[in-house]
Amino acid sequence: AQKVTQAQTEISVVEKEDVTLDCVYETRDTTYYLFWYKQPPSGELVFLIRRNSFDEQNEISGRYSWNFQKSTSSFNFTITASQVVDSAVYFCALSANRDDKIIFGKGTRLHILP
Amino acid sequence: DAGITQSPRHKVTETGTPVTLRCHQTENHRYMYWYRQDPGHGLRLIHYSYGVKDTDKGEVSDGYSVSRSKTEDFLLTLESATSSQTSVYFCAISESDRGRKETQYFGPGTRLLVL
Repeated sequence: AQKVTQAQTEISVVEKEDVTLDCVYETRDTTYYLFWYKQPPSGELVFLIRRNSFDEQNEISGRYSWNFQKSTSSFNFTITASQVVDSAVYFCALSANRDDKIIFGKGTRLHILP
Repeated sequence: DAGITQSPRHKVTETGTPVTLRCHQTENHRYMYWYRQDPGHGLRLIHYSYGVKDTDKGEVSDGYSVSRSKTEDFLLTLESATSSQTSVYFCAISESDRGRKETQYFGPGTRLLVL
């Protein structure tokens, strides 16, 4: 069975602080894909990143970075120098290569306080 | 942005009435999905389609049916709406193919209230 756990239900940080959102996944497949999505207060779901299981290289995109560690089955997301516009719900998701479906975590609500 | 629209965007209906939500895409993607989003549950898959007239159930399919008669349209029907189906419904599309997993892109959502 596949599972995604986002243990942090809600996080609040003050603007300009760094914040890390945790994502732990479970799968028996050796080939799988991991995703992060952002859902701002306006409600739409915005794709942020997709990573396959063979690529453990960390990725940085501006203030966003992702740390993929197969040894701990984690795919954590860090926002550096957070801004109020980063306030949103963030979802981590997993899809096995043999499966048509994506399993989503329950999300972490991030509040960036001015 | 992926060309995905959902209609209606908001709907209020009464228990026992049928409701149909429409998802329309202009990307010619093979896969289409319907999710519901509820507090504390994240996104849960209702049904999905892997081609015209090809559909399969997700984890919360009871009380819902789908149809896909054209590549661009995926309909979700609540045959007899219940208050437990009050939710935000999202459609998603992807060009996923076995051996190559592509990203799902989401529509703007439909907020449904069943009284």
